Amino acid sequence: ILNVEQSPQSLHVQEGDSTNFTCSFPSSNFYALHWYRWETAKSPEALFVMTLNGDEKKKGRISATLNTKEGYSYLYIKGSQPEDSATYLCAFKAGTASKLTFGTGTRLQVTL
Amino acid sequence: GAVVSQHPSWVICKSGTSVKIECRSLDFQATTMFWYRQFPKQSLMLMATSNEGSKATYEQGVEKDKFLINHASLTLSTLTVTSAHPEDSSFYICSARDSLLSTDTQYFGPGTRLTVL
Repeated sequence: ILNVEQSPQSLHVQEGDSTNFTCSFPSSNFYALHWYRWETAKSPEALFVMTLNGDEKKKGRISATLNTKEGYSYLYIKGSQPEDSATYLCAFKAGTASKLTFGTGTRLQVTL
Repeated sequence: GAVVSQHPSWVICKSGTSVKIECRSLDFQATTMFWYRQFPKQSLMLMATSNEGSKATYEQGVEKDKFLINHASLTLSTLTVTSAHPEDSSFYICSARDSLLSTDTQYFGPGTRLTVL
């Protein structure tokens, strides 16, 4: 059983704060690391698919980094806004034909 | 683009009845769809991979006779929970991969909350 852990479990920040959270995954047999954003009562939305060690990806105020050798990825949100409030999920894929193994998510709440 | 719908969004049923959940890719073709289940405070757990025109591949510990999956077209997969019991109460969510894209991205539906009384 692959172990994918996310921390913190939840986070409460003020509007304008920058924040980051972590996804830890096995460092062996790495294929890809996915990040999703999941707002309540909506579908999870794909943010990034990261495949190469040292990858950095950016989408607006959200960016992510990847370290496959030590088995972690960081997600950063710059200048958080209330609409960033959601659960952020990471999912690890080992090998081309394997399934996605999800973490339990980091629940972010941004208040005014 | 890449919208996946799921129906119903919630369902309450009596113990012993069967419930069908539909997953549709609205604007793309999906050879492969996935069915997940999420219990409270736990992660999304893959139940099975649904392949168009062939039998689904079930994860270890998931009963294929209890969770029937049919993927009869490139845009529709269904999950039927047969003879549902209270322990089957959970959040079920599907995803689909765009057949024409080389990307690994899965596009998710909004999920179905099943409550078995």
